[in-house]
Amino acid sequence: DAGVIQSPRHEVTEMGQEVTLRCKPISGHNSLFWYRQTMMRGLELLIYFNNNVPIDDSGMPEDRFSAKMPNASFSTLKIQPSEPRDSAVYFCASSSDRGQSDTQYFGPGTRLTVL
Amino acid sequence: DAKTTQPPSMDCAEGRAANLPCNHSTISGNEYVYWYRQIHSQGPQYIIHGLKNNETNEMASLIITEDRKSSTLILPHATLRDTAVYYCIVSARFGNNRKLIWGLGTSLAVNP
Repeated sequence: DAGVIQSPRHEVTEMGQEVTLRCKPISGHNSLFWYRQTMMRGLELLIYFNNNVPIDDSGMPEDRFSAKMPNASFSTLKIQPSEPRDSAVYFCASSSDRGQSDTQYFGPGTRLTVL
Repeated sequence: DAKTTQPPSMDCAEGRAANLPCNHSTISGNEYVYWYRQIHSQGPQYIIHGLKNNETNEMASLIITEDRKSSTLILPHATLRDTAVYYCIVSARFGNNRKLIWGLGTSLAVNP
């Protein structure tokens, strides 16, 4: 079975440019999570969707960050304009809330470098 | 949200059991204990979870104390590939919200 798919795996861009990260969750999963990981702050939840609806975006750093989930099989995280402090690894994870378990399955991540 | 406390680092000899402790003294009755691990540069990997009873799967065993205030993840025969950061997490629920609150984890080094 295909796991969570993220693209691109690596992104290098210059400050001020727009960056779009993409995620395809596991088929049948109805919850999707965007995380950011840095050495200083560890793993931080940015936003969480359930049935394509944003449930909790309290972790989104500021208005430069936006996320969408137009359908059950695709989500994007956009940063516009990007800044060097946005450099991090961004993970997407998905889960199913049809049972009592909250097991999240993670993608391989996108390593973003903003110069 | 219930918080967890883990030692920042541990060492284990290859082939021996690795016992990773976690304290979660404020856990509430319907919260699960989850364990994930993250091997360098990869996405976190689910290991095991439990509510009250001890659990075992092909990767590890989870021992939860009777009062549920602490737990131990056991890797029965650690290998070099088990070197990773191990996260103990308690699930927080707000209606349909199901957030995993991530701490700093335990960095496990398996030595030859």
